[in-house]
Amino acid sequence: GAVVSQHPSRVICKSGTSVKIECRSLDFQATTMFWYRQFPKQSLMLMATSNEGSKATYEQGVEKDKFLINHASLTLSTLTVTSAHPEDSSFYICSARDDRGGPQHFGDGTRLSIL
Amino acid sequence: AQSVTQPDIHITVSEGASLELRCNYSYGATPYLFWYVQSPGQGLQLLLKYFSGDTLVQGIKGFEAEFKRSQSSFNLRKPSVHWSDAAEYFCAVGAMGGGADGLTFGKGTHLIIQP
Repeated sequence: GAVVSQHPSRVICKSGTSVKIECRSLDFQATTMFWYRQFPKQSLMLMATSNEGSKATYEQGVEKDKFLINHASLTLSTLTVTSAHPEDSSFYICSARDDRGGPQHFGDGTRLSIL
Repeated sequence: AQSVTQPDIHITVSEGASLELRCNYSYGATPYLFWYVQSPGQGLQLLLKYFSGDTLVQGIKGFEAEFKRSQSSFNLRKPSVHWSDAAEYFCAVGAMGGGADGLTFGKGTHLIIQP
């Protein structure tokens, strides 16, 4: 079945560091990918929609300069948390939509901890 | 704006007993509905989805869900739960098959299985 690989699965870093998270569709092309954020024991909240070859679309309240998204190919989207602070600590999950249709396929998430 | 309500934060069920997890949605057009399961620290796995047609949909792991437009509900059921079903369950709604736009998730229901 369709697989979405997300890397790294866990990252711990100091405050002020920028962190890049990758989301790859392994066996399908994805013009559209999505980034979600999940706080502990909370639901997933859509942060942004990543579109290959164009600018990402951010949800209200999400700082685009804080969360940089690049979707340079049909199989890879990256989320960079710039100058991360402890309040950015969260579980980030990506999903990808197969260009042939159907539901989104989710990655296994990245646990980000900022000290 | 679309929204999803999962009224039960926690549900405890004995192993072998039947299960029903509630989900109510608010959406202006025909909704596309999903149930996902999440194990601790993991990504999301799609259990089943409803796009159109038969309102009773079958999913993986013995789960099923029934779409009731009059009640704006999409409850998840399983006739006999197994200890391995203990996890967090999320109901979600999207447009256009949940592919072209991000999903709106409920807050989740934590399922506990008693031996």
